[in-house]
Amino acid sequence: AQSVTQLDSHVSVSEGTPVLLRCNYSSSYSPSLFWYVQHPNKGLQLLLKYTSAATLVKGINGFEAEFKKSETSFHLTKPSAHMSDAAEYFCVVILFSGGYNKLIFGAGTRLAVHP
Amino acid sequence: DAGVIQSPRHEVTEMGQEVTLRCKPISGHNSLFWYRQTMMRGLELLIYFNNNVPIDDSGMPEDRFSAKMPNASFSTLKIQPSEPRDSAVYFCASSPGQANTEAFFGQGTRLTVV
Repeated sequence: AQSVTQLDSHVSVSEGTPVLLRCNYSSSYSPSLFWYVQHPNKGLQLLLKYTSAATLVKGINGFEAEFKKSETSFHLTKPSAHMSDAAEYFCVVILFSGGYNKLIFGAGTRLAVHP
Repeated sequence: DAGVIQSPRHEVTEMGQEVTLRCKPISGHNSLFWYRQTMMRGLELLIYFNNNVPIDDSGMPEDRFSAKMPNASFSTLKIQPSEPRDSAVYFCASSPGQANTEAFFGQGTRLTVV
């Protein structure tokens, strides 16, 4: 069965310091994995996606994630946090079965960025 | 493209009233999803459609909830009668439907049942 676990419900960093949001997945086959971001009172926006091409994936706003099969991880990183990065981040695995995509969301990680 | 369009953005209603949430997916997308988001339960998939046909409605909480997709450009989620515990943000999302493609989300409808 497909599932994702986001290891931290809250992460707090100072502006200018690195960001690390952790995600582990469970999949019976090679998965497709996404990160979405949700700013307060907004919808969800795709940050980046991995679909079995390059294992290091670059996304919008300076974020990137690395797919590590040996660790079943897909952690999201950014070298230097901005105040505007404060949001909730969701790791997502796709279940593609019977011709249909089903997105399976992690519980989310709320990122706070302090001056 | 304007993206996924949901209406209304906010809805306040009294307990027992019928509520209808509306969604216009991105043109050409053949998969449509309804999600509910609450602090307690996070994001829950309620139902999804493919080519206007409901494929999986196992996430619909109870018979008070129903969803329809009469054509490729319109879907509704109805709650009748509404209850305070239905208060949440409801998101609609659409996807091209090919393997491993992302879903595009609307801005959501914030529902408050008093």
